[in-house]
Amino acid sequence: AQKITQTQPGMFVQEKEAVTLDCTYDTSDPSYGLFWYKQPSSGEMIFLIYQGSYDQQNATEGRYSLNFQKARKSANLVISASQLGDSAMYFCAMRERRDDKIIFGKGTRLHILP
Amino acid sequence: GAVVSQHPSRVICKSGTSVKIECRSLDFQATTMFWYRQFPKKSLMLMATSNEGSKATYEQGVEKDKFLINHASLTLSTLTVTSAHPEDSSFYICSARDHGVSGRGYNEQFFGPGTRLTVL
Repeated sequence: AQKITQTQPGMFVQEKEAVTLDCTYDTSDPSYGLFWYKQPSSGEMIFLIYQGSYDQQNATEGRYSLNFQKARKSANLVISASQLGDSAMYFCAMRERRDDKIIFGKGTRLHILP
Repeated sequence: GAVVSQHPSRVICKSGTSVKIECRSLDFQATTMFWYRQFPKKSLMLMATSNEGSKATYEQGVEKDKFLINHASLTLSTLTVTSAHPEDSSFYICSARDHGVSGRGYNEQFFGPGTRLTVL
């Protein structure tokens, strides 16, 4: 069963607009972490933001924020004031405490339009 | 953040040959390393987890005799694709876990830049 679901294979957004990338997850482990990574065409995996399952507040890192809705098992990434350089593949990922490995969703390809 | 390197960044080989990919943690000791495989326009699929000094743990469906993993030191893990065939062509990415880092969980795992393997 898929543990990380990203329902948007591709998105087109106008520059300077905010964008929300969806991510839902499935786990029975009470302790887990959620990650978002950006992968540009070069292939490197760039860490963006992390949310722990016990964190009370939504994580924020500059223009990135994670909308964590634990009861809905949702961890959407919000990018404010999008820039052309934000065009890339974005992956939502999860690490459960019990097996300690990061599992990725299928990704969303984001295109920022000038 | 910590740095993980991979070598080579790109390799082209003939079918039937073996290819070794190195993954190094440059400024920390990585007790655990992970190997991922990524097909074009697809997600990263975890292949195996390697712990220093012990046998790797392979994910279901990954042939351990095909993809040999050695984690001989705290800074080096190698993936050897044996008797490579065109279907093994892919982007291989390693990730290293620094159990010595205290603080937030996200700070514990770092990704290498990847190795693009093309088998002719």
